[in-house]
Amino acid sequence: DADVTQTPRNRITKTGKRIMLECSQTKGHDRMYWYRQDPGLGLRLIYYSFDVKDINKGEISDGYSVSRQAQAKFSLSLESAIPNQTALYFCATSAGANYGYTFGSGTRLTVV
Amino acid sequence: GESVGLHLPTLSVQEGDNSIINCAYSNSASDYFIWYKQESGKGPQFIIDIRSNMDKRQGQRVTVLLNKTVKHLSLQIAATQPGDSAVYFCASAGTGSSNTGKLIFGQGTTLQVKP
Repeated sequence: DADVTQTPRNRITKTGKRIMLECSQTKGHDRMYWYRQDPGLGLRLIYYSFDVKDINKGEISDGYSVSRQAQAKFSLSLESAIPNQTALYFCATSAGANYGYTFGSGTRLTVV
Repeated sequence: GESVGLHLPTLSVQEGDNSIINCAYSNSASDYFIWYKQESGKGPQFIIDIRSNMDKRQGQRVTVLLNKTVKHLSLQIAATQPGDSAVYFCASAGTGSSNTGKLIFGQGTTLQVKP
């Protein structure tokens, strides 16, 4: 089983719909992150969480919300999806400051 | 703001040659650096990392060089193989009172290996 599992792998949704992307990890890491990846823009941080009670906005949090249900689970929600949220979304975990991240396989989201 | 950038968006090399991918960072307080490889349809995968108390670190067929004076990082891949074709990202993290340990990612260099 993968260390960081993202579901779904692919999703097509309509403008205005609410959608949740889920992430679970078996690494035992406290830190979890959500990124989106767009061509030419690299990886941009949406939200991050350093423990269950800690949630922080990243550089592009508008239009997104997150929930850290447990140490192992960190979900990302789009309350009302819009087409410019079409992107590849990655969840990642890390053991602490100045440690590398372990990424999931990504969720390809298309908003039509 | 803090940034990490790669020098070339695309690098094309012949199979068997050595590849060098370069990266520059802006924050002199950065003390941890990491290279990731991302193949099509997959998430980024860890290749190698280096901390600022080192200037060179070697892995299997890969070497990372760190030049703190000019804030430059490079990834060298020896005897490049077709399976090395991917997008390569560098990332850095800083220390200090404002440190959260979050990685700042560059935009990626696409490595194309010609047979």
